[in-house]
Amino acid sequence: GQQLNQSPQSMFIQEGEDVSMNCTSSSIFNTWLWYKQEPGEGPVLLIALYKAGELTSNGRLTAQFGITRKDSFLNISASIPSDVGIYFCAGQSLYSNTNAGKSTFGDGTTLTVKP
Amino acid sequence: DGGITQSPKYLFRKEGQNVTLSCEQNLNHDAMYWYRQDPGQGLRLIYYSQIVNDFQKGDIAEGYSVSREKKESFPLTVTSAQKNPTAFYLCASSYGTGFYEQYFGPGTRLTVT
Repeated sequence: GQQLNQSPQSMFIQEGEDVSMNCTSSSIFNTWLWYKQEPGEGPVLLIALYKAGELTSNGRLTAQFGITRKDSFLNISASIPSDVGIYFCAGQSLYSNTNAGKSTFGDGTTLTVKP
Repeated sequence: DGGITQSPKYLFRKEGQNVTLSCEQNLNHDAMYWYRQDPGQGLRLIYYSQIVNDFQKGDIAEGYSVSREKKESFPLTVTSAQKNPTAFYLCASSYGTGFYEQYFGPGTRLTVT
């Protein structure tokens, strides 16, 4: 089946630093999604990417859909304590067996921000 | 306000008992999903439904069952056949086929002892 490798697994940074994380896939995706999950809550959609090469921002967050369609990156600029959480990437392929919006999720990047 | 609700937030059961987790959405979404999350891991798909009265197994369907009698509701039953049921369960929905943005509920933490 499809696999997503998300890295790094965890990050410990100082407030104000920039953060970068990425996901790579063994197959081509036509959609990349980035979510943030806070402890004990459901993931919240941050950014959706639909086109290879697309670069999209949401406040201090910027995500890119890789040209090869097998990877995506999420950057957070000037981190603040409320950025703490688990960040998940998710990808979807046109070539999945069913076209139900099924997503393959990465294992997440746990971000800790020290004040 | 539109959204997805899951109840209860915390659920405790004895081993050998079936338990049903509730998921309701008022977003008018056609597709709904159930995921399981274990500590330090990503989301694994249990079941999904594209339309009322239809559902499909995900990657880890064994020991679980679902129904989709109404568009708004997609309850998940964790049966006694599930060997390791203690986990955080997340329900999600999306507009449906071709719409990829899934919106998640707040989750139910199930503990079976």
